[in-house]
Amino acid sequence: GQQLNQSPQSMFIQEGEDVSMNCTSSSIFNTWLWYKQDPGEGPVLLIALYKAGELTSNGRLTAQFGITRKDSFLNISASIPSDVGIYFCAGQGETSGSRLTFGEGTQLTVNP
Amino acid sequence: KAGVTQTPRYLIKTRGQQVTLSCSPISGHRSVSWYQQTPGQGLQFLFEYFSETQRNKGNFPGRFSGRQFSNSRSEMNVSTLELGDSALYLCASSLVGRNSPLHFGNGTRLTVT
Repeated sequence: GQQLNQSPQSMFIQEGEDVSMNCTSSSIFNTWLWYKQDPGEGPVLLIALYKAGELTSNGRLTAQFGITRKDSFLNISASIPSDVGIYFCAGQGETSGSRLTFGEGTQLTVNP
Repeated sequence: KAGVTQTPRYLIKTRGQQVTLSCSPISGHRSVSWYQQTPGQGLQFLFEYFSETQRNKGNFPGRFSGRQFSNSRSEMNVSTLELGDSALYLCASSLVGRNSPLHFGNGTRLTVT
């Protein structure tokens, strides 16, 4: 089945630093989504990407849909303590309906 | 606009029992999906419902079932609970069609003892 490899698994950074994480897939996706999950809560949608090559920003967050349609990255600029959490990428295939395949997650820790 | 609402938030059950979890989607969203989240397996797709019909199903045993009502609200049921069913069960809703991302609720934390 489809698998997503997300890296890194964890990151420890200082406040103010930039962060980059990425996902690669063995299969092509038509949609890439990035979510953030805080403890005890469900994943919250950060950015949705629908077109190969698309680059989309949401405040300090920027994500890109890879040209091969098999990868995506998420950048966070000037990190702040509330960026702490687990970030997930998710891919959606053309025939999978609303079914998402999730990466393993990146645990981000920001030291003030 | 209210988000996806899941009840209950926490549940403790004993092996062999069954459980029903409830999900109310965002108003206007007609597609509802369920996911299981565990530390070992991550987020795994259970099933998707649209117009009261199961549209897609993940690789889970038949003990896991669901349904959707005419108002788009959904329930999932797990029968003959096993210890390994302990997990966070997440419901997500979306509009129908392309470019309609999933929005998740805060989940039901199920503990099986």
